Amino acid sequence: SQQGEEDPQALSIQEGENATMNCSYKTSINNLQWYRQNSGRGLVHLILIRSNEREKHSGRLRVTLDTSKKSSSLLITASRAADTASYFCATQGAGSYQLTFGKGTKLSVIP
Amino acid sequence: GAVVSQHPSWVICKSGTSVKIECRSLDFQATTMFWYRQFPKQSLMLMATSNEGSKATYEQGVEKDKFLINHASLTLSTLTVTSAHPEDSSFYICSARDPLNSPLHFGNGTRLTVT
Repeated sequence: SQQGEEDPQALSIQEGENATMNCSYKTSINNLQWYRQNSGRGLVHLILIRSNEREKHSGRLRVTLDTSKKSSSLLITASRAADTASYFCATQGAGSYQLTFGKGTKLSVIP
Repeated sequence: GAVVSQHPSWVICKSGTSVKIECRSLDFQATTMFWYRQFPKQSLMLMATSNEGSKATYEQGVEKDKFLINHASLTLSTLTVTSAHPEDSSFYICSARDPLNSPLHFGNGTRLTVT
């Protein structure tokens, strides 16, 4: 069953601007992951944040996790046209390897 | 890094025929693989969990006789869509778990079109 809900559903920004995507989930998790999907392609793992972590950085990516609100955000700074893709959050529960994906945010970065 | 190869990338078949999709882990042994389905502009829905040497575990609402999964070796899982119909047209993605590393590794997906 789907658990994560991203918002916005779609986001269009100019190159150089920052993009923020949010994800909410319903049940307790072991970790939350963000993935990127180019149109018609598979998923690329971006970053994983564990339930006991609050913030994580990877290059131009910054992820936050608020387990009390069951929400996470993905910030892409100084966006580039090549960042155009769909971004999904996925949750993983304790003792499970399954991922439950959200609906995704389609990001368009305009050159 | 770990790579998961999925084949074919796309396939067009006639209604009533069966289609086999392969998912291979290229540089690690995957005891567990997952099969997802994705409709246009929608998220990934888990169809089944495939464990090497045992029967797959299907999610609620997924017909196990229609979507046959075989995980005969530690590097290969196959999904066969039997007696395909146009409503089976979708994007199918596999992922594999490397016991030594997280996270899951995904294949590039298979676009199935049933005419």
